[in-house]
Parts: sequence; C-alpha cells; structure tokens
Amino acid sequence: DAGVTQSPTHLIKTRGQHVTLRCSPISGHKSVSWYQQVLGQGPQFIFQYYEKEERGRGNFPDRFSARQFPNYSSELNVNALLLGDSALYLCASSQGQGKGNEQFFGPGTRLTVL
Amino acid sequence: DQQVKQNSPSLSVQEGRISILNCDYTNSMFDYFLWYKKYPAEGPTFLISISSIKDKNEDGRFTVFLNKSAKHLSLHIVPSQPGDSAVYFCAVISSGSARQLTFGSGTQLTVLP
Repeated sequence: DAGVTQSPTHLIKTRGQHVTLRCSPISGHKSVSWYQQVLGQGPQFIFQYYEKEERGRGNFPDRFSARQFPNYSSELNVNALLLGDSALYLCASSQGQGKGNEQFFGPGTRLTVL
Repeated sequence: DQQVKQNSPSLSVQEGRISILNCDYTNSMFDYFLWYKKYPAEGPTFLISISSIKDKNEDGRFTVFLNKSAKHLSLHIVPSQPGDSAVYFCAVISSGSARQLTFGSGTQLTVLP
C-alpha cells in the first residue's frame, strides 16, 4: 500500500510569491494534518482537516490556508512568501481524529524562499 | 515558550548498549505522549506511545517511561543498533485537542558499531 505522498519534493520561490503544496493521504484515511519543520526544530502544527472540515489551526498567519477535497487529499497554500517560510512542510494522515489514531507522515516538501 | 523540550541535541551510544532519550514538558493538560524517529529525506515515523494513565509501555527493544509528577518522558532503546541512528522527536497531545501534535526539537542519536 502506498504511504502518504506529497508533491512537489522540492520547490524554490522568491519573496512575495505564493505556493501550493499537495498531499495524498493513505487510502482510507480521512484526516490530514500539515506541519512546518524549520531547520534544527521539531515540526510545528499548522492545520488539521477531518472529513473536509478544518478541525484545528496552529499559530500561523492568515497567509497560510488549506483545504481538503472529497477524495481526502489536501492542499496547503502560502501567500506573500517570506524568507522565514523556508522549511520542510510535512503532511500526515490518520484514519480518524481520536488520540489513538496514529499519524503517518509523508516525506515532506522542501520549500526554499529566496 | 517551548512546551516540549529535548535538552540534548545529540547522543552517541555504543552498539549493544542502552540509549536513553529524554523529554520534558510544561503543560499538565498533555495526556498522550509519543516518540517519532526521523531519517534524512523521510518523514517522521511513529515509534511508540503512552497515555497519561500509564507510566510504562514496551514494544520490543523500545520502552517509554512517563513520570507525570516530574512532567518527564523518556525512551529507552535496548540493545541499540546502528540502524537506530536517526533524529528522535518526542511529541505530546493535549486533552483539549483532537490530534494536534506538539513536538520537541529532537535528539540526534548515533549508534557506533
């Protein structure tokens, strides 16, 4: 079975541009979460979606938005990119929303903002 | 303000010996605790978890200990193997949230052959 997939693998943008990152969850998983990992730090929670509804939002500015589609795939959008948005963006999926539902992470998208 | 701290950025251990990774947290609302392992160019992989109603959970070579009064979590790996070399993150979930993980900054474990 395929794991969580993310595209693209790497991306280079310039300040002020916008970016769309994509995530396909494991088949049968209905929950998708997004995390930002800056070099030298642990992943930081950005959003959680379950059954196409936003169920949680981390401490990120409104430039960050996301959505989940009927097939449970998800997009993360970042507008007006800043140098500080350079990071590894991780997507994780789980079957449900409860604490016992293990989150499976994709390999991430490495975003570089110049 | 870091709610989850891993104070050792790196740890080196000889193959066959015990690896002990530590994690401290500040919020008593956290009630579910996890360890993830991350290799370069891969996403974090779930290792083991423990709920706040327990103080120990074992899975093969991996054991997680929870000391609620000290707000301290540790992961023991016995015996350590070179393939265990990776970055280890502790993560917590608060009782008020569904699946939002709050991660520590990670510890790079190197197991020397």
